Parts: sequence; C-alpha cells; structure tokens
Amino acid sequence: QQPVQSPQAVILREGEDAVINCSSSKALYSVHWYRQKHGEAPVFLMILLKGGEQKGHEKISASFNEKKQQSSLYLTASQLSYSGTYFCGTPAAGNQFYFGTGTSLTVIP
Amino acid sequence: GAGVSQSPRYKVAKRGQDVALRCDPISGHVSLFWYQQALGQGPEFLTYFQNEAQLDKSGLPSDRFFAERPEGSVSTLKIQRTQQEDSAVYLCASSLGSGGNEQFFGPGTRLTVL
Repeated sequence: QQPVQSPQAVILREGEDAVINCSSSKALYSVHWYRQKHGEAPVFLMILLKGGEQKGHEKISASFNEKKQQSSLYLTASQLSYSGTYFCGTPAAGNQFYFGTGTSLTVIP
Repeated sequence: GAGVSQSPRYKVAKRGQDVALRCDPISGHVSLFWYQQALGQGPEFLTYFQNEAQLDKSGLPSDRFFAERPEGSVSTLKIQRTQQEDSAVYLCASSLGSGGNEQFFGPGTRLTVL
C-alpha cells in the first residue's frame, strides 16, 4: 500500500533542478507532498487532487497523473533550504494515510 | 496561533513499562492522526480520530497500543508493556477537515525502550 518514491537520494548543487517521483499500485485520489528536515516534523508542501486542482504554499510545482497512479514533484533552481527528506502521501481506504518511501535531497553550495 | 504540541518530547522506558504520549492538536481541528516513525523511515499510520470517534485503528501494531481522544481535542497514545521494537518517534498530526486535508504535525515524542 505504501507509495514508492524515486530516486531514494539525490545530491544537487545550488541552482540545479530535481524531480522526485511517487508511484502507487493502488488508485490515487489525491497526493500530498511533505518535506521533513532532520530531527524535525514533516511540513506540508502541497496537495494535488483528482481532476488537476493543486494547492500549495511554496514555489515548488508538482504533477499528478491519475491514470498512471503517479505524481512528480519538481524543484527548480534549488536552494540550500530545500535539503531534507521528501515524502509523498495519500489517503487510503477507510481513514488511513500512507506516506511514501521517501527521497533524501541534499543541496550543496 | 499555537501549533500542534506533543509531550513529553523524549521518553526513556524500561522494557515492560507502560507509557503515555500526549498530543494537543490545533484548536478546532477535527481530524487527528498518530504515526510511528522508525529511524530512517517514513511515518507509518497508526490510528485516526474524527473528533472523539476513533474511526480507524488498523495501523496499531498490537493490542498493547491504545489511543483515545475523549473530548475531541487532546489525544493520548498509550503503550503497555513496552518492548524494544516500540522505540521510535511518535508523531501526531491534526487537520481542519477530513483526513484528506493538509496535516499539521507536532514535533514528535522520541521513545527509547531499554
């Protein structure tokens, strides 16, 4: 049930771009993205809803392909503050919520 | 404008002891989740409350785990007869509406069972 993310880890230089992918074996009705810095709690980035509606708080974009049961997070012109572990997540049957396997992103000067 | 708070932040227990972890969600938030996060892993769903009703407890790993939210605000996660495999960070998150909305996380309680 847990979504699978790729890559597992990526190292970028400041200003470079990255794409993080999230794939599920189950139908996705919405996808959440969170970032967690070491020793801290996850922080919400955005929600993508079925039908294409997107909600977010930061200048980070994402796509959601319901047919392929995939979502991708796009980080452009990365900053040092983007470092952390990124998790996708999705509501599941009942009232469960499953986080993905995580992608560790490190931005270096 | 307080966020989600959890206490204690750190808890060391001897194997076999009972522990109680507290979560104070954002006022007015209907939904409350508990997650368990092992080192280097993502948060794993434990249980979900909508107001005072525990609508899903399918993620609780054993009957030693028990959660309650009696008045629809503060929640307590209790672990009886702790085992070493219970060592993890326990995260609480609340959201304004249903479980499909943005979740606000507390800082977590790091439980170490010796």
